[in-house]
Amino acid sequence: NAGVTQTPKFRILKIGQSMTLQCTQDMNHNYMYWYRQDPGMGLKLIYYSVGAGITDKGEVPNGYNVSRSTTEDFPLRLELAAPSQTSVYFCASSRWGEPQHFGDGTRLSIL
Amino acid sequence: SQKIEQNSEALNIQEGKTATLTCNYTNYSPAYLQWYRQDPGRGPVFLLLIRENEKEKRKERLKVTFDTTLKQSLFHITASQPADSATYLCALDMDTGGFKTIFGAGTRLFVKA
Repeated sequence: NAGVTQTPKFRILKIGQSMTLQCTQDMNHNYMYWYRQDPGMGLKLIYYSVGAGITDKGEVPNGYNVSRSTTEDFPLRLELAAPSQTSVYFCASSRWGEPQHFGDGTRLSIL
Repeated sequence: SQKIEQNSEALNIQEGKTATLTCNYTNYSPAYLQWYRQDPGRGPVFLLLIRENEKEKRKERLKVTFDTTLKQSLFHITASQPADSATYLCALDMDTGGFKTIFGAGTRLFVKA
């Protein structure tokens, strides 16, 4: 049982480049989330989705976009990467009212 | 806005002792509170959930308490082992839907053999 899978695990981008962080889950969860984790800080919610075709902003959405065309996939798009977006990105999924299952993260550096 | 405070200093304890980690929050009480474990280079893993009407929850060597008067949760690991060394995150859910979860920065625990 794979759970939540994130790709890539590591990536270095140049300022101004774009990329998509992939997230897929095989637990048939309706709820999916994207967080970023910076050193010494708690996880910050970027975007979330309550089902295919439905997404909404979290606490720190600026500079990011998401889509949810299927229950399984929830990609996160970075447009015009900036140094402030250097972080570790975690995708998670859950059923309503249940704890979240996390992937192992994508470590992104923007230089 | 709601804030969570976890001790930013690492906790060092001897194997076999009980580790106690603290989570304090401000403002109004959450619908429920969760504790997660995070190992270096890995995502958080859920451990325990306690609801606002519960005072204590146990799972094997783990125990969580929830005091809405003190606005505090304590997380205990009894008979600690070196394998318990990790960062432990406290998370509050302001409703039961899951998309208003607020995470603390975590406390690093080191258990020495």
